Amino acid sequence: AQKVTQAQTEISVVEKEDVTLDCVYETRDTTYYLFWYKQPPSGELVFLIRRNSFDEQNEISGRYSWNFQKSTSSFNFTITASQVVDSAVYFCALSEAEETSGSRLTFGEGTQLTVNP
Amino acid sequence: NAGVTQTPKFQVLKTGQSMTLQCAQDMNHEYMSWYRQDPGMGLRLIHYSVGAGITDQGEVPNGYNVSRSTTEDFPLRLLSAAPSQTSVYFCASKRQGPYNEQFFGPGTRLTVL
Repeated sequence: AQKVTQAQTEISVVEKEDVTLDCVYETRDTTYYLFWYKQPPSGELVFLIRRNSFDEQNEISGRYSWNFQKSTSSFNFTITASQVVDSAVYFCALSEAEETSGSRLTFGEGTQLTVNP
Repeated sequence: NAGVTQTPKFQVLKTGQSMTLQCAQDMNHEYMSWYRQDPGMGLRLIHYSVGAGITDQGEVPNGYNVSRSTTEDFPLRLLSAAPSQTSVYFCASKRQGPYNEQFFGPGTRLTVL
């Protein structure tokens, strides 16, 4: 069975601080996919990034960066110089590679990030 | 494109009532899913479909039915609502292929009294 753990339930920072959201996953598959989604206060789910299990290259997109380490089964998300607009719930998710299962997503519990001015 | 649409946005039911949550997508995606979101538990998969006429159970299917008669629509039926089904429900769709991300609808907030 697959599992995603986001141990940080809530994080509160002051604007311009850097913050890292942790994500640890469990799977017996050798091929899998990892995702991060953002849920702002308005409630919709916004896709941020995906990574496949064969690509451990870190990725940077503006103030966002992701660190994927297979050795520790982690896919952590860092926001540099946080802004109030970054306040949201962030979800890490794991997808099966099996086509017949519809590539179902297993979500972590989510981390509520609050950025204070 | 409207993307993934869900109706209604809010609904209050009494225990024992039935209702259908509607979901439609206009992106011609093969895969569609229903998730429920509860505090501290992330999103959990209820049912999913890999194409018209094909559905299967997810992690928490009890109390819910689905059907997929067209590519565009994937309604979720609550047979006899219970307070434990109070939740926010999200419909999602995606293209075939595990690397493709899911597109989520705006959600339906359901309260069962």
